[in-house]
Amino acid sequence: SQQGEEDPQALSIQEGENATMNCSYKTSINNLQWYRQNSGRGLVHLILIRSNEREKHSGRLRVTLDTSKKSSSLLITASRAADTASYFCATSLETSGSRLTFGEGTQLTVNP
Amino acid sequence: GAVVSQHPSWVICKSGTSVKIECRSLDFQATTMFWYRQFPKQSLMLMATSNEGSKATYEQGVEKDKFLINHASLTLSTLTVTSAHPEDSSFYICSASPSGAHGFFGPGTRLTVL
Repeated sequence: SQQGEEDPQALSIQEGENATMNCSYKTSINNLQWYRQNSGRGLVHLILIRSNEREKHSGRLRVTLDTSKKSSSLLITASRAADTASYFCATSLETSGSRLTFGEGTQLTVNP
Repeated sequence: GAVVSQHPSWVICKSGTSVKIECRSLDFQATTMFWYRQFPKQSLMLMATSNEGSKATYEQGVEKDKFLINHASLTLSTLTVTSAHPEDSSFYICSASPSGAHGFFGPGTRLTVL
């Protein structure tokens, strides 16, 4: 299966600023998930948005989904240095589970 | 949330040897687990789906005879990299899901083949 694309590939911002990452995918989906990965570590699930949803919030995270454009965005508000990590979107054809197709990822650096 | 563990967290081996990586779901049963591979500065690529009590399903381009998967119980899947070579050096990550939930990922295993 083909992976999606994410942009930007790298993003560097100052603490307190907002960070927006975008993800595009190629096939129909059941849901789209965002994960975070610190360098050399496993993945941490951030948020899941289903294909019939358009927007979802979790704390400082806001995710949007546009199935007509096959795209999603992740907004992190009031960023912190601890938010520095790689962020991946991943799509699933199934209602649950972890058979996922990952995007290429965005490396976010938040400077103190 | 659910916990998935992997062992070992890192391994260094000589070319030609075989390496076994374990993936365990600690607080739930998983009839299906997934194995991913991640090369440096790249994304995760699904290698195979591990099915409890039956054969694994491999993604296109993944050699089933090289990457042996055994899912002998509802909480354990193993990936064995047979006759490992330097090009197999990578970060191997497994994932599993409680019924109806999103994926929970293990912490990963970094394999370095000399």
